[in-house]
Amino acid sequence: DQQVKQNSPSLSVQEGRISILNCDYTNSMFDYFLWYKKYPAEGPTFLISISSIKDKNEDGRFTVFLNKSAKHLSLHIVPSQPGDSAVYFCAATPRGAQKLVFGQGTRLTINP
Amino acid sequence: NAGVTQTPKFRVLKTGQSMTLLCAQDMNHEYMYWYRQDPGMGLRLIHYSVGEGTTAKGEVPDGYNVSRLKKQNFLLGLESAAPSQTSVYFCASSYSGSPYEQYFGPGTRLTVT
Repeated sequence: DQQVKQNSPSLSVQEGRISILNCDYTNSMFDYFLWYKKYPAEGPTFLISISSIKDKNEDGRFTVFLNKSAKHLSLHIVPSQPGDSAVYFCAATPRGAQKLVFGQGTRLTINP
Repeated sequence: NAGVTQTPKFRVLKTGQSMTLLCAQDMNHEYMYWYRQDPGMGLRLIHYSVGEGTTAKGEVPDGYNVSRLKKQNFLLGLESAAPSQTSVYFCASSYSGSPYEQYFGPGTRLTVT
């Protein structure tokens, strides 16, 4: 039972354009959400997070949007750069829990 | 400051053999985690620890054991390896005050034949 789903295994975007990565969740108890980025042969690194009391959080080129009624979140990267090519995982948790539930990941490729 | 380190980086085991993966962190983090990453499955939590001497089961704990005898170390053991345990294993750690921003090690690629 996949509680956090990333339905697009891969995404290809032209450099300078916007990248939009999507994530859906089923557990209504989830109220804190994160995105992690992973390069080959490295561990994931934390990118950005959002609490359910907000619907948007921005950090430089990265913005995460949360639609609680649709149980959907998205990560926008603009403008996309070649160094953004990586696998992106979304993750979720109920506040107070000590662990995260991860999605399957989406491989983003930025083309020059 | 090395962050989170994992030993070994690669290992090949025969079915039925045992081994221990070592995770060490030098950030004085209270929480530590073991995940496995398989194609199409994302990261799945095996076991975790919220402090020295404590451990808890995650999403996929069967076939694994863990120990946290020292705050900085978290060991993952496979008593009798099976081909289904072929995976990339990641260790992570975090502060108790910010448990969701986890710091990951570089991973251990394990193949069981």
